[in-house]
Amino acid sequence: GEDVEQSLFLSVREGDSSVINCTYTDSSSTYLYWYKQEPGAGLQLLTYIFSNMDMKQDQRLTVLLNKKDKHLSLRIADTQTGDSAIYFCAESMKEYGNKLVFGAGTILRVKS
Amino acid sequence: GAGVSQTPSNKVTEKGKYVELRCDPISGHTALYWYRQSLGQGPEFLIYFQGTGAADDSGLPNDRFFAVRPEGSVSTLKIQRTERGDSAVYLCASSSYGPGELFFGEGSRLTVL
Repeated sequence: GEDVEQSLFLSVREGDSSVINCTYTDSSSTYLYWYKQEPGAGLQLLTYIFSNMDMKQDQRLTVLLNKKDKHLSLRIADTQTGDSAIYFCAESMKEYGNKLVFGAGTILRVKS
Repeated sequence: GAGVSQTPSNKVTEKGKYVELRCDPISGHTALYWYRQSLGQGPEFLIYFQGTGAADDSGLPNDRFFAVRPEGSVSTLKIQRTERGDSAVYLCASSSYGPGELFFGEGSRLTVL
């Protein structure tokens, strides 16, 4: 079955790096995603990684995928107060279109 | 419009009433998804349309929930005989065919009293 788990809360100081972790159970996942949700706003895709990759970098964001351990992480370099939000990990399988299975979300709080 | 539009943004209703939530996807997007997000939880898949047909409705919790997309664009999620447990934010998303980004609307917050 599909299950995505994340830690609930992370607090960092402005300028530090943040690392948000996620584990998933479905080994047939094709794509893994990180979404950001700010208060009162819709979900915004930050980045996604194909399951045959182990790393993807996009400006301040680095995604690491350990397929053997089914572990996904999102590193945000030089974290800013504007990065405070809820971050959701999600997985999908191409055979099911873009049906995403989301984790419960990690609340990132950035202290100035 | 430029993004996915959902109406109403807020809906308060009484237990037992009928509710319709509307989603207007990004123009040209063939795929449309409905998710439900309860407080403190991640979005939970409800149903997925490819064009006019429901390609996967496995997430609909029971037969009180129904969704349509008659012309392959706008979709309506219909909830009959609402219950207090239906209170949540209902999210709609759209995408072009193939894997990649889902564009989410801001959601319709449903409160059943």
